[in-house]
Amino acid sequence: AQSVTQPDIHITVSEGASLELRCNYSYGATPYLFWYVQSPGQGLQLLLKYFSGDTLVQGIKGFEAEFKRSQSSFNLRKPSVHWSDAAEYFCAVGETSYDKVIFGPGTSLSVIP
Amino acid sequence: KAGVTQTPRYLIKTRGQQVTLSCSPISGHRSVSWYQQTPGQGLQFLFEYFSETQRNKGNFPGRFSGRQFSNSRSEMNVSTLELGDSALYLCASSPGTGSNQPQHFGDGTRLSIL
Repeated sequence: AQSVTQPDIHITVSEGASLELRCNYSYGATPYLFWYVQSPGQGLQLLLKYFSGDTLVQGIKGFEAEFKRSQSSFNLRKPSVHWSDAAEYFCAVGETSYDKVIFGPGTSLSVIP
Repeated sequence: KAGVTQTPRYLIKTRGQQVTLSCSPISGHRSVSWYQQTPGQGLQFLFEYFSETQRNKGNFPGRFSGRQFSNSRSEMNVSTLELGDSALYLCASSPGTGSNQPQHFGDGTRLSIL
């Protein structure tokens, strides 16, 4: 069955430090990959997406993600974290033959000033 | 362009009652999906509507139902409410349907069951 895992439930980083959030998926074909962010009391906002082509994709708010087919991963990165990045981050995966998107369990990010 | 609007933002109900939640998608978007978000289960897909037709349904009991109107606005109904239905209900819209569609989310309706 298709699945999406985010191994880290909660991560704490210092402001200005780099960040990497992990996402692994289990799908048969090349998936459609997304990262969303949810700030407290709000809905989800799309950070970036990957469908095909260059495996390193740029998103909003200075985020980027890299698709690695061999590892079935789509990790989210940011070189320097800001206090306003504290939020919940969700990886999501879709597939042509499976007509809906599956969301991972989320990673909660805390930022220390 | 206005975003996805969900009403009401907060609701308090008691067990056994029913509730209707509303979602107005971004103008021009024809697909509306509903999700239930809880701390224990995360984001769970409820159903998707496209052009007034239900295209996909998650693994929820029949107490959960929805519909979509000709202007793409959607409503979700939950009957015979249970304590476990307490959750944040999120609506998301997209221009078309399919798992390659980025979704635009509303801020949700927080439903509390007493």
